[in-house]
Amino acid sequence: AQKVTQAQTEISVVEKEDVTLDCVYETRDTTYYLFWYKQPPSGELVFLIRRNSFDEQNEISGRYSWNFQKSTSSFNFTITASQVVDSAVYFCALSDTGRGSTLGRLYFGRGTQLTVWP
Amino acid sequence: NAGVMQNPRHLVRRRGQEARLRCSPMKGHSHVYWYRQLPEEGLKFMVYLQKENIIDESGMPKERFSAEFPKEGPSILRIQQVVRGDSAAYFCASSPLRGSMRHEQFFGPGTRLTVL
Repeated sequence: AQKVTQAQTEISVVEKEDVTLDCVYETRDTTYYLFWYKQPPSGELVFLIRRNSFDEQNEISGRYSWNFQKSTSSFNFTITASQVVDSAVYFCALSDTGRGSTLGRLYFGRGTQLTVWP
Repeated sequence: NAGVMQNPRHLVRRRGQEARLRCSPMKGHSHVYWYRQLPEEGLKFMVYLQKENIIDESGMPKERFSAEFPKEGPSILRIQQVVRGDSAAYFCASSPLRGSMRHEQFFGPGTRLTVL
């Protein structure tokens, strides 16, 4: 069965610190997609990244970077030089690519509440 | 190109009333997913629909909940005889049928249902 675990429920850092949010997943699929979403206090879901299971290259986008390790089934997210505006709940998700009815369904972790203090 | 639209954004109902949540997918998207976010939890899949078809409703409670995606108009998630435990944020996501983005879901802003 598909499962996503975000063991960190809450993280607090002071502005300009680096912070890493952990995500561990379980799947029997050989092809799958991993996602990160941000949910600010306003409540909407903001898409951050999608990663294909065949692409293990790490990605950097500004202050954000993602470390995909297939060997440990992890897809960790690092924010460098955090800012107050980064305060939000961050969700990791796994997409089912199986044929049939479950195609495309997202499995979410419980989220990590990040608070960045000034 | 407008994003996924959901309305209302906030809905208040008393116990026993009906709640209707609407979702208009992005233009050209024929797949709609509904997710529910209970307080301090992640999003949980409820139902997956294509136009005029329910593909997978395995995440939907067996009673009081129903969903449709008609040929014309928005997708509707309907909750009959609401109870306090139905209070949650309900998110709709849409996805194209094919193309490089078919494994990506675009989320609406959500409808926050409060049951008094």
